[in-house]
Amino acid sequence: DSGVTQTPKHLITATGQRVTLRCSPRSGDLSVYWYQQSLDQGLQFLIQYYNGEERAKGNILERFSAQQFPDLHSELNLSSLELGDSALYFCASSVGTSGGNEQFFGPGTRLTVL
Amino acid sequence: AQSVTQLDSQVPVFEEAPVELRCNYSSSVSVYLFWYVQYPNQGLQLLLKYLSGSTLVKGINGFEAEFNKSQTSFHLRKPSVHISDTAEYFCAVMGDFNKFYFGSGTKLNVKP
Repeated sequence: DSGVTQTPKHLITATGQRVTLRCSPRSGDLSVYWYQQSLDQGLQFLIQYYNGEERAKGNILERFSAQQFPDLHSELNLSSLELGDSALYFCASSVGTSGGNEQFFGPGTRLTVL
Repeated sequence: AQSVTQLDSQVPVFEEAPVELRCNYSSSVSVYLFWYVQYPNQGLQLLLKYLSGSTLVKGINGFEAEFNKSQTSFHLRKPSVHISDTAEYFCAVMGDFNKFYFGSGTKLNVKP
């Protein structure tokens, strides 16, 4: 158990819908990262937040947005969903922003868009 | 921009044999390099990382990796694998602006 929690574990929805994925980092970690893992795209870095502020941005679509709240939990919002958005979404947390800080991964949320 | 190439999508190996999983990266700036392992239906777990200093990095579960700047490689090795090492292994690089780039993964299948 990494100490990072993600809810829900599974999510099934239809095209065009909007969903919110939630992540609670390990106690004491200020950074949260979001990743998407799909069969065709592999593992892709989406976005990083540190203490409530966006710190780095990867291949995140404009239909996707994220935020980190004062209690440090984070939410990833996916809108106008398409079939290709079906994937495993991971959240990870670390103490700081340096690459030297180990990232601890949650178990993931599996999103299925029908 | 950075990129990571894992040359082998699958590596079958017998138990107690040595294994090397290959990783090459491209970057115009200094990078941090990582190897992660993903067991079935689980998240990723850090095996080891290279930030600076000694080019030979030792990680958990008996794995090690060597950073080779001239060849832009960061291959993962283990002298003797176990059945429990069966998993998917990802090489990753952290480059400019704290962005992470992952390779496509190598599935290690350890056979008895």
